[in-house]
Amino acid sequence: EIVLTQSPGTLSLSPGERATLSCRASQSVSSSYLAWYQQKPGQAPRLLIYGASSRATGFPDRFSGSGSGTDFTLTISRLEPEDFAVYYCQQYGSSPLTFGQGTKLEIK
Amino acid sequence: QITLKESGPTLVKPTQTLTLTCTFSGFSLSTNGVGVGWIRQPPGKALEWLALIYWNDDKRYSPSLKSRLTITKDTSKNQVVLTMSNMDPVDTGTYYCAHRPNLGAFDPWGQGTLVTVSS
Repeated sequence: EIVLTQSPGTLSLSPGERATLSCRASQSVSSSYLAWYQQKPGQAPRLLIYGASSRATGFPDRFSGSGSGTDFTLTISRLEPEDFAVYYCQQYGSSPLTFGQGTKLEIK
Repeated sequence: QITLKESGPTLVKPTQTLTLTCTFSGFSLSTNGVGVGWIRQPPGKALEWLALIYWNDDKRYSPSLKSRLTITKDTSKNQVVLTMSNMDPVDTGTYYCAHRPNLGAFDPWGQGTLVTVSS
């Protein structure tokens, strides 16, 4: 089983700042089958990034994903008020599918 | 437009079996490469993948819960059913179903259904 470790657990930033979220895998993620999801309070998760770096429909280009192998990063270039949420990474290249424990992005 | 909606009991007693139904539209579970998964989330905690079923009836389960889970599909009704036996209070949480296209990431998700396990 691939264990995903996200850091930091909580990130406190102000609107306009740059956010960098990390997701580290215990072994290489097959074919960069790494996704990021955004979850706001009381809502279901929403796919944000797939294939490590492809942005899902509806998300602006201030969101970007990068990485390969065991190290992946989600970057939000300039935070908007609506970006404050919890972000989860997930690997879907091998079974069992696994999620990271999440990073809470909060307003400073 | 793809939509999914979970339904089932909101309260179950310890040791009972939970049965959840995911009713979907906008895709067919007989289409090559398509799958539907179940994921849960205890209050205030992280997401946990539970099970997947594919168009060809291939089924995958979380190793830690495999003995308690059964996933089935009814293609004609556009439904996927998950049963979880021997429910415990630690199984309390929101249960989501989600569409998995062509072995890709989950997209979209249903709104989720909150299940509480309590006597």
